[in-house]
Amino acid sequence: AQSVTQPDIHITVSEGASLELRCNYSYGATPYLFWYVQSPGQGLQLLLKYFSGDTLVQGIKGFEAEFKRSQSSFNLRKPSVHWSDAAEYFCAVGASSYDKVIFGPGTSLSVIP
Amino acid sequence: DTGVSQDPRHKITKRGQNVTFRCDPISEHNRLYWYRQTLGQGPEFLTYFQNEAQLEKSRLLSDRFSAERPKGSFSTLEIQRTEQGDSAMYLCASSSTRTELAKNIQYFGAGTRLSVL
Repeated sequence: AQSVTQPDIHITVSEGASLELRCNYSYGATPYLFWYVQSPGQGLQLLLKYFSGDTLVQGIKGFEAEFKRSQSSFNLRKPSVHWSDAAEYFCAVGASSYDKVIFGPGTSLSVIP
Repeated sequence: DTGVSQDPRHKITKRGQNVTFRCDPISEHNRLYWYRQTLGQGPEFLTYFQNEAQLEKSRLLSDRFSAERPKGSFSTLEIQRTEQGDSAMYLCASSSTRTELAKNIQYFGAGTRLSVL
């Protein structure tokens, strides 16, 4: 069965510092992988996605993620965090046959000014 | 394109009452999804439609829950005889299968927060 784990429940970083949010997935075939961000009172916004091809994908707001099949991981990175990046981040995996998406439990990011 | 809209944004009800939520997807999106999100958790899949056909329902969707998408446009999610455990954020998303680039990308609404007293 598909599943997603995000080992870090909460992370705190200083503004300007680099960020890496971890994500591991379980899926039998080549997955579709996503990172979403959710700010308080807002819906989920897609940051980036991996379907195939280049394993390093670029997203919006300066985020990038790297797909590593051998580690079943899809970690999210940003070189320099801004205070406005404080939010909840969700990694998700989708089946290739249709759009059902399984979300991880999320990582809450706090940014210290 | 105004995005996915959900109504109401907040609903407070008493245990045992029925509630109905509405979702308007992005126009011309043929797929529509409902998720439930409880505090501190990621969204959990409930059901999805392709056009007006309901193609899958999660085991989370008990007999008290019903969803419809009668004309393949907006959708409603009804919860009968609400229980305190139904308190959650109910999220709607839509996607299009019409182009390869758009496929599998879900756009989410802001959600309806349900509180059952």
